[in-house]
Amino acid sequence: GQNIDQPTEMTATEGAIVQINCTYQTSGFNGLFWYQQHAGEAPTFLSYNVLDGLEEKGRFSSFLSRSKGYSYLLLKELQMKDSASYLCAVREPLDSNYQLIWGAGTKLIIKP
Amino acid sequence: EAGVTQFPSHSVIEKGQTVTLRCDPISGHDNLYWYRRVMGKEIKFLLHFVKESKQDESGMPNNRFLAERTGGTYSTLKVQPAELEDSGVYFCASSQDWGAGNTIYFGEGSWLTVV
Repeated sequence: GQNIDQPTEMTATEGAIVQINCTYQTSGFNGLFWYQQHAGEAPTFLSYNVLDGLEEKGRFSSFLSRSKGYSYLLLKELQMKDSASYLCAVREPLDSNYQLIWGAGTKLIIKP
Repeated sequence: EAGVTQFPSHSVIEKGQTVTLRCDPISGHDNLYWYRRVMGKEIKFLLHFVKESKQDESGMPNNRFLAERTGGTYSTLKVQPAELEDSGVYFCASSQDWGAGNTIYFGEGSWLTVV
């Protein structure tokens, strides 16, 4: 079956680094997305990985290992505004209409 | 440029009533998606339009849900009659193209509470 796991909640300190993990077991794979969602707001796109390796974008980086079914989102120099939910989603292949399969999200709490 | 907009932002209705949610995608986006998130659960796909055609409606839970996109612009999602388990956040999203690598842009969601 389809399964995407991420920790329910994490806490980190302002200025520090945090890594949010996502493991997946899906029938197919056509890329992995990370979205950020502040309470009551729209999920906003952070990153997309389709090949193995690390993609860096400012303070945020995302890593993918397809053989391990594993990704992580790395947030550096944490700011209070980074407190949000982080959603991992796997895109299925064309024969599944490129549907997105979502994890339940990781609530990140930043403390001063 | 306006993002994906949804209306209403919040709705409280009684079991058995009808609710219609509206979504205006980003201008020029042919692809429009509906998702739902029940409290504490993950986001679930409902359906996908390409212009006015339903590309994939495999996620629609039952025939109480009807989605339309006449003219290929805005879309509506009607729930009739609403049941308690329909409560949740209904997200609409859009993308310019369809397929690998395309970013999907989300609206803020329509919060539906059925009492």
